[in-house]
Amino acid sequence: NAGVTQTPKFRILKIGQSMTLQCAQDMNHNYMYWYRQDPGMGLKLIYYSVGAGITDKGEVPNGYNVSRSTTEDFPLRLELAAPSQTSVYFCASSRLPGQGAGNTIYFGEGSWLTVV
Amino acid sequence: EDKVVQSPLSLVVHEGDTVTLNCSYEVTNFRSLLWYKQEKKAPTFLFMLTSSGIEKKSGRLSSILDKKELFSILNITATQTGDSAIYLCAVVCGSSNTGKLIFGQGTTLQVKP
Repeated sequence: NAGVTQTPKFRILKIGQSMTLQCAQDMNHNYMYWYRQDPGMGLKLIYYSVGAGITDKGEVPNGYNVSRSTTEDFPLRLELAAPSQTSVYFCASSRLPGQGAGNTIYFGEGSWLTVV
Repeated sequence: EDKVVQSPLSLVVHEGDTVTLNCSYEVTNFRSLLWYKQEKKAPTFLFMLTSSGIEKKSGRLSSILDKKELFSILNITATQTGDSAIYLCAVVCGSSNTGKLIFGQGTTLQVKP
């Protein structure tokens, strides 16, 4: 099983550039999440989705957009990159919310993004 | 606004010490609380807690939830250098068809030899 696959793993962007972080899962999970993690900090929820065609804002959505046209894919788009978006981005997916009792949250390996 | 707060933010101890990490939360429609350990990569799952007063235990790690006071603690006894990591608390909340997973800011634990 591939699990949750994120690309790219590393990227340097110039201020004002745009890019898309890709996230794909092959487990037919309904729930998918995008987080960012700044150095030494916890994960902050950017956007999440409870199924194809349904997305919702998390704690820090400004500067980002998402779409969920298929169950498998949940891309995160940065339209006008700013230095404040320098962070590590994690995508995650699960069949149900939460973990345990037969449900597991799978995380991607992370994408390190630097905006200069 | 849903909120998860961890304390302390960082902690330095020596091998053999016992540590207690705290997590408090204010969320709408609490469903479960999760503890993770993170070492430079994606978080790895430790515990899930849904009921008050029932201790979950795995080796030297244990955790308990108090749903009345809205907090959880994670205990690590006889700490080892391999326990050095960021410990993350997360809460699953929201209605049955819109579950969100909100993380605290993490506690960075350093265990010195």
